[in-house]
Amino acid sequence: EAGVAQSPRYKIIEKRQSVAFWCNPISGHATLYWYQQILGQGPKLLIQFQNNGVVDDSQLPKDRFSAERLKGVDSTLKIQPAKLEDSAVYLCASSKRGAGELFFGEGSRLTVL
Amino acid sequence: AQRVTQPEKLLSVFKGAPVELKCNYSYSGSPELFWYVQYSRQRLQLLLRHISRESIKGFTADLNKGETSFHLKKPFAQEEDSAMYYCALTNAGGTSYGKLTFGQGTILTVHP
Repeated sequence: EAGVAQSPRYKIIEKRQSVAFWCNPISGHATLYWYQQILGQGPKLLIQFQNNGVVDDSQLPKDRFSAERLKGVDSTLKIQPAKLEDSAVYLCASSKRGAGELFFGEGSRLTVL
Repeated sequence: AQRVTQPEKLLSVFKGAPVELKCNYSYSGSPELFWYVQYSRQRLQLLLRHISRESIKGFTADLNKGETSFHLKKPFAQEEDSAMYYCALTNAGGTSYGKLTFGQGTILTVHP
């Protein structure tokens, strides 16, 4: 089966610009996650969707980050305006409903100058 | 608040030597523990989870609730085990099941 797809793989922007990342989960996976991984740290959950509803967004900086999952399939994560500290790899993952195993995408590496 | 601590950022061993990657956690509820691995130029993937009690690629991990630890062990390390290893936990019940809290990771290098 096809894995979790993410794009773009790399993005370089200047601070105060905006950026969007796209994720296509594994077919049939109801749960979708966005993680932020800053260099030297483990991934940190930003938001968790169950179908097209938000389950947990407690660690999402809502003043600049937004995410949506229309129709319960693809998802986009947007940052506007970007700050230097947003430089990180943004990982998308998906899982079957009620399953503990997450399947990760390759990630989107963001550099904010 | 839940927390996962991996005290070693780097761990080096020689091929054939035993290896142990340490993981300690703090969580007030009922946790489920995992080890995820990321090989060079590959995506993050599940290695093993404590509820399955399996040995994967020769690795085992036992949940010790008294010491709140979930150390990963392998008796004879191989060069292909070189990778980044992350310990992670989730709440075993509730709507946020699957929401993983990760440790900082340990880079394992196995020398020939």
